[in-house]
Amino acid sequence: EIVLTQSPGTLSLSPGERATLSCRASQSVSSNYFAWYQQKPGQAPRLLIYGTSNRATGIPDRFSGSGSGTDFTLTISRLEPEDFAVYYCQQYGSSPPYTFGQGTKLEIK
Amino acid sequence: QVQLVESGGGLVKPGGSLRLSCAASGFTFSDFYMSWIRQAPGKGLEWFSYISGSGTSIYYADSVKGRFTISRDNAQNSLYLQMNSLRAEDTAVYYCARRTVTKNFDSWGQGTLVTVSS
Repeated sequence: EIVLTQSPGTLSLSPGERATLSCRASQSVSSNYFAWYQQKPGQAPRLLIYGTSNRATGIPDRFSGSGSGTDFTLTISRLEPEDFAVYYCQQYGSSPPYTFGQGTKLEIK
Repeated sequence: QVQLVESGGGLVKPGGSLRLSCAASGFTFSDFYMSWIRQAPGKGLEWFSYISGSGTSIYYADSVKGRFTISRDNAQNSLYLQMNSLRAEDTAVYYCARRTVTKNFDSWGQGTLVTVSS
């Protein structure tokens, strides 16, 4: 099973700043099957990025994804107040299970 | 628009059973793999089961294998999860989610809380 480790656990930034969230896999994963989600308190997760770098429908262009192999990054170019949430990475290998990272909490500084 | 609505959660004693449902609308349900994903209180996301559009391909994570059964009724646009032999560690919000061809989850229900406690 591929383990995803996200860093940092908590990121404290101010609106307008740039956020960089990392996700490292225990072995190489397919870029086609790597995604990022945002979850706000009391809500279901929302797909942000799929296929490493493709924004899901309705996702603003301040969100971008990159990476390959074992290292992937979610970047939020200029933080808006509504961006403060928990972010999860997720991968699918050649077979199940699908795995999620443990999450990065992005909080207002 | 795509909508997924879970129901059936509640309080159950250890060893008990519960059946969750997920009503789908706004898309051709039979065209999509569906999954159940759960989130224990204050914890992260755990995927644990999927079922193909036709229902012929099913997979369970080890954490639920032999205790949980996923099924679907395409005529009713519904997904189900039969949970038996429930344990305290099964306490979580349970989400149904639609899986895309790129093997991520683009639509989620609002979740239903299952609490296993005596």
